[in-house]
Amino acid sequence: EPEVTQTPSHQVTQMGQEVILRCVPISNHLYFYWYRQILGQKVEFLVSFYNNEISEKSEIFDDQFSVERPDGSNFTLKIRSTKLEDSAMYFCASRPLAGAAYTGELFFGEGSRLTVL
Amino acid sequence: AQSVTQPDIHITVSEGASLELRCNYSYGATPYLFWYVQSPGQGLQLLLKYFSGDTLVQGIKGFEAEFKRSQSSFNLRKPSVHWSDAAEYFCAVGVSGTYKYIFGTGTRLKVLA
Repeated sequence: EPEVTQTPSHQVTQMGQEVILRCVPISNHLYFYWYRQILGQKVEFLVSFYNNEISEKSEIFDDQFSVERPDGSNFTLKIRSTKLEDSAMYFCASRPLAGAAYTGELFFGEGSRLTVL
Repeated sequence: AQSVTQPDIHITVSEGASLELRCNYSYGATPYLFWYVQSPGQGLQLLLKYFSGDTLVQGIKGFEAEFKRSQSSFNLRKPSVHWSDAAEYFCAVGVSGTYKYIFGTGTRLKVLA
């Protein structure tokens, strides 16, 4: 069964460093999302992306964050200058076009754990 | 604004006992509703979903949930809990149009042997 894959599974970085988290969505999906989960807290929406542009972003998604689809398969989240509070699990998700048979489901990857020291 | 409330932060049940996890949502239209389970340090596993039709939906691992429009609820149930069900459970509502999810704060389930 097709799945969303994320790399790295765990990254440790120093405060102030740039980090890129990578996601390979399911191949025929057109909509992509990033979510964040700080340890012990709920999963929060960061950004959605369609047709090579951001569709919606939350207030968490400030100028330190950016997303990109650099080629036909990858979808990346970049944090420009990491802060301690960026330590979290980051989930990528994707979905197909919402046709008649679509059930509203997002397909999540296993997550990338980011630890900022 | 859309929101999801899971009133119980922690629930402890004995193995073999029944379970009900509560979820209430605030949303103007018919929502897409989901339950996910997460073990510590792991990803999100979809248990079940509701988008239309029969209001009682069956999921994996013996879980079911019932959509009650009048109560804006989508409670998760299991008739007999197993020790392996100990985990965090998240309810989510999918917003029509964007289909982004809004998650609840989660309920941590502890199972006593």
